Amino acid sequence: DADVTQTPRNRITKTGKRIMLECSQTKGHDRMYWYRQDPGLGLRLIYYSFDVKDINKGEISDGYSVSRQAQAKFSLSLESAIPNQTALYFCATSVGGEVELFFGEGSRLTVL
Amino acid sequence: RKEVEQDPGPFNVPEGATVAFNCTYSNSASQSFFWYRQDCRKEPKLLMSVYSSGNEDGRFTAQLNRASQYISLLIRDSKLSDSATYLCVVNLSNTGFQKLVFGTGTRLLVSP
Repeated sequence: DADVTQTPRNRITKTGKRIMLECSQTKGHDRMYWYRQDPGLGLRLIYYSFDVKDINKGEISDGYSVSRQAQAKFSLSLESAIPNQTALYFCATSVGGEVELFFGEGSRLTVL
Repeated sequence: RKEVEQDPGPFNVPEGATVAFNCTYSNSASQSFFWYRQDCRKEPKLLMSVYSSGNEDGRFTAQLNRASQYISLLIRDSKLSDSATYLCVVNLSNTGFQKLVFGTGTRLLVSP
């Protein structure tokens, strides 16, 4: 079983729908992140959280919100999905003070 | 100018070949550097950190040239299993939290 689990792995939705991507981890790491990956653009940080009470915007947070329900759970919401949010989304974790990121397997979202 | 630039490739090489990728970065204040490997439709995984003095891990050698602001990855005796996309990652932060900038990746295809 993966240490960082994302659900759903694939989702097709329509413009205007609310979507939630969920991430859970068994690594015991305090830090969690949401990235999106687009062809030709590389991975970009959407939100990050150092602990349950600490949520921070990344470089592309507009149109997204997050919730850190527990140390092990970090969810990403698209309140009203739009086609340019079609992307591969990755959740990641790290240990405070360490730079290495551990990624989930990704959630492929298509907004029609 | 992009903060981190990589040749997208693909680099097509036969098994046993030696191949090298470069990655340039624009911010001279960049603190630390990494290579991640991403298999097709999979999550990125840390391949190796890049140290100022250069470092080697088996068939992989990473080098940093701060004066010219580039890092390199050399793969010797290429294997079919080395086929993947190699992401250059630069950490811009010297505080406890990393500000990671991902390159778009260089694709390597190793053929029999």
